[in-house]
Amino acid sequence: DQQVKQNSPSLSVQEGRISILNCDYTNSMFDYFLWYKKYPAEGPTFLISISSIKDKNEDGRFTVFLNKSAKHLSLHIVPSQPGDSAVYFCAASNTGNQFYFGTGTSLTVIP
Amino acid sequence: GAGVSQTPSNKVTEKGKYVELRCDPISGHTALYWYRQSLGQGPEFLIYFQGTGAADDSGLPNDRFFAVRPEGSVSTLKIQRTERGDSAVYLCASSPFGGRAGELFFGEGSRLTVL
Repeated sequence: DQQVKQNSPSLSVQEGRISILNCDYTNSMFDYFLWYKKYPAEGPTFLISISSIKDKNEDGRFTVFLNKSAKHLSLHIVPSQPGDSAVYFCAASNTGNQFYFGTGTSLTVIP
Repeated sequence: GAGVSQTPSNKVTEKGKYVELRCDPISGHTALYWYRQSLGQGPEFLIYFQGTGAADDSGLPNDRFFAVRPEGSVSTLKIQRTERGDSAVYLCASSPFGGRAGELFFGEGSRLTVL
C-alpha cells in the first residue's frame, strides 16, 4: 500500500517560471517530510525538509508547503532553471527509522 | 571520496545465485539504511542500522535477504537464492544521527539484474 503518492509522473516548465510538485500521504502519523532530487545514475540528494509543526519552509528558490488537514505537501521552485531538471521524490516519516518515498515526478525545465 | 560508496555499481547474476552488495557510509555516520528501488518506483525501505545493530529490519521482504554491519561502519546486504523479482537498484544511505535528526545521504546504488 503506497502511503506516499506523487500522482504526476512528469512535469514540464519554462525556464524562469514556477515549478510546483505535489505529494499526498495517507498516514496521519507522519510528522517529518523531505524532498529529494535525483539525477540519472546518481543517488537521491536531499533538497529540503519540513516538520509537521510548520506549514512552510523556505530555502533559496525552494519552498515546501505542508497542509496537514489535507495530508498534502508541495514543493515550489522559483524561478525554475534548466539545472533543476531531475526526478523529485517526496518522503515522509513518523519514527525517523523508515522514510516512505513517493514514486517521483520527473521535472523538465525548458530553456 | 567523502560520500557514501557502494560496490559493485552493477551486478548481473543468474537466478538462484548468492549476491553480496557492499556499502561504505560517510565516516562517523552512525545510522545506515538500505533501500531498494524498482523501475518506476520510489525507494522502498529494507533495513536500518544504528551502530552495529539492526534497529529496524521490517522492510526485508523475506528470509532470503540479510544485512550485517559488524563494526558499525561498512554494511553488506546479502541475498540468497536470487529471483528475477529481486532485480532493482539497491540504495544505501547514511545519516549522522539517525531518526528524525535529518536527511539521508545516499550512495549511487548497486544495480542488480537477475537473469
